[in-house]
Amino acid sequence: QKEVEQDPGPLSVPEGAIVSLNCTYSNSAFQYFMWYRQYSRKGPELLMYTYSSGNKEDGRFTAQVDKSSKYISLFIRDSQPSDSATYLCAMRDSSASKIIFGSGTRLSIRP
Amino acid sequence: GAVVSQHPSWVICKSGTSVKIECRSLDFQATTMFWYRQFPKQSLMLMATSNEGSKATYEQGVEKDKFLINHASLTLSTLTVTSAHPEDSSFYICSAQTPGLAGGYNEQFFGPGTRLTVL
Repeated sequence: QKEVEQDPGPLSVPEGAIVSLNCTYSNSAFQYFMWYRQYSRKGPELLMYTYSSGNKEDGRFTAQVDKSSKYISLFIRDSQPSDSATYLCAMRDSSASKIIFGSGTRLSIRP
Repeated sequence: GAVVSQHPSWVICKSGTSVKIECRSLDFQATTMFWYRQFPKQSLMLMATSNEGSKATYEQGVEKDKFLINHASLTLSTLTVTSAHPEDSSFYICSAQTPGLAGGYNEQFFGPGTRLTVL
């Protein structure tokens, strides 16, 4: 079993829709939960990170962490064609720097 | 945010040759840099962790004699793929970590990646 599981997609939604991206994980030691966006042939860019459980909002993006279920989500409101990219969840524990990435979900927003 | 650059952005080489990839943190000093490899439609896999002035720590299954890492300064780390073979063709991405509080969240900033094609 992988430490982090993420549906690879692809996921295609119309512009303006709410997008929900999810990951599950198995290591209860994880404390930091991140979402990265990666455009084709580019390095990943950090969107948001959350420490422990809870919600975090930044503009059109909301990250949720449910440690009891080992489940994290990223919601994108009012999706735009420019949001089309691969979204990677990632996590690490509180002491180590090593980040464990999900496999990424390819998202396409149709105009 | 902080900027990390990589050079070259892409390289094509013949099988058996060596290729060096540079990773630089442009506006901050990075005591720790990381090297990842990403195959098409797959996630980033950590290859090694590099601390300035010391030997890199390699992940299980990564050959340290094949992937030479040098972190000679606080702003530069290099990855040399020695005796490259077609199966080494991949997207190599580095990241640099900002110094911060122990146990706190120290963000990693990623470079744009280097696409290596070995013929």
